Parts: sequence; structure tokens; C-alpha cells
Amino acid sequence: DIQMTQSPSSLSASVGDRVTITCRASQGIGNHLAWFQQKPGKAPKSLIYDASSLQSGVPSKFSGSGSGTDFTLTISSLQPEDFATYYCQQYNGYPPYTFGQGTKLEIK
Amino acid sequence: EVQLVESGGVVVQPGGSLRLSCAASGFKFDDYSMHWVRQAPGKGLEWVSLINWDGGRTYYADSVKGRFTVSRDNSKNSLFLQMNSLRSEDTAFYYCAKDQSRRGYNYGDHWGQGTLVTVSS
Repeated sequence: DIQMTQSPSSLSASVGDRVTITCRASQGIGNHLAWFQQKPGKAPKSLIYDASSLQSGVPSKFSGSGSGTDFTLTISSLQPEDFATYYCQQYNGYPPYTFGQGTKLEIK
Repeated sequence: EVQLVESGGVVVQPGGSLRLSCAASGFKFDDYSMHWVRQAPGKGLEWVSLINWDGGRTYYADSVKGRFTVSRDNSKNSLFLQMNSLRSEDTAFYYCAKDQSRRGYNYGDHWGQGTLVTVSS
């Protein structure tokens, strides 16, 4: 099975900052990667699919890049509502479709 | 508007069984594969299972293979997860999610609110 490794596991930042989260796959997955945001007590919300395509309704402050094994999620101009936990997930080929372990973004 | 509503989560003893349901609306259910994803309290997301649009193909995480069975009733826009031989490590919120791709296998683009399964004596 493909393993997904996110870094960092946690991140402190200030309102207005720009942050980047990294996700690495244990083998090449093309661009078959999605990013999710999860707030406490809520279901995950899809942000990015196919590594760099923005889900409908998601603000353009969120952007994704990468292909193969290395991917990034960048959030520009952080606002209070952006502080949450972020997950990557690969969906290459047939399941299982594994998630990264998550990155908790906290207010500094 | 896509809506997914899970139900069936309860407290169950180790070794017991449970059937979760997910009621879907707002999209053509029989055109989309469906996922189950779980999250132990305070932990990360774990993909559990996928069933294709007509129920003919199913896939499972190694951690549940042989114990869990996913099924669907397209006439009732419903998804199910039969969970047998439950263990304490199966304690989690269980989410159903609609696949993004029509008649394909991708990621879950819409999620339900989750239902809590607690395995404890």
C-alpha cells in the first residue's frame, strides 16, 4: 500500500502569514492527490483535488502543487477561520486510498 | 444540494456486530462510488472501504478486511457498512463520502456528519 507522510505534524502561524504543508507519497501517484480541511467536531471538507485543482466554492487563497511523490498545500494570508487540521489523501489506481497523518495549524 | 446522513452508531461490546447506514440525497446515487472513512477520537483519518456505483466491486483497508462488508441499495439511495467481530480499535467516528468521479474511483468530495461507534465492555 502507498504510505503518505505529511510535514510538519503541527505548525504555529499568525494571522496574515503564508504557510506551506508538504505531503510525500511512498511511490509515484501522478497527480492523484486531494487536500482536506477539518475543524474540531466537523466532517472533513475537500479543498483541492488532482493536486492543484480548487474544489468549487473554495477561496483562491488555497493552492496546491506537485506531482509524482512530492506535493504542497499553500495557504496565503491566514485568517482565523483557516486554523484547522489539514490532510492529504492519495487516490492513485485502485484502493486503498491512504491519508496522511494530518497537520494541525494553530494560531501563534 | 448533496446530503449524506449516517446513522447506527452505538456502544457495542468487543466481538459484537453493528450495521451503519448512510442516506444520500441531492445527486444521482447510482452513478457514484461511495466511501467509508473513520476517525478515532483525537486521531487522523483512515480510509475504510469503497463500493462502486452498482455494488459490483468493493475494496477494504487491511485493518477491516474479512470483518466489515460494504453494500448499497440504489433503489433507496442508501449505503451500508456491516461491522462484525468488533475490536476496541474500531472505536471511531464513521463518515460516508460521495466519490467525486462519476462512475470512477477518486476521493470523497462530499461527506456526512459522521456517526460514533464505541467498542467497549
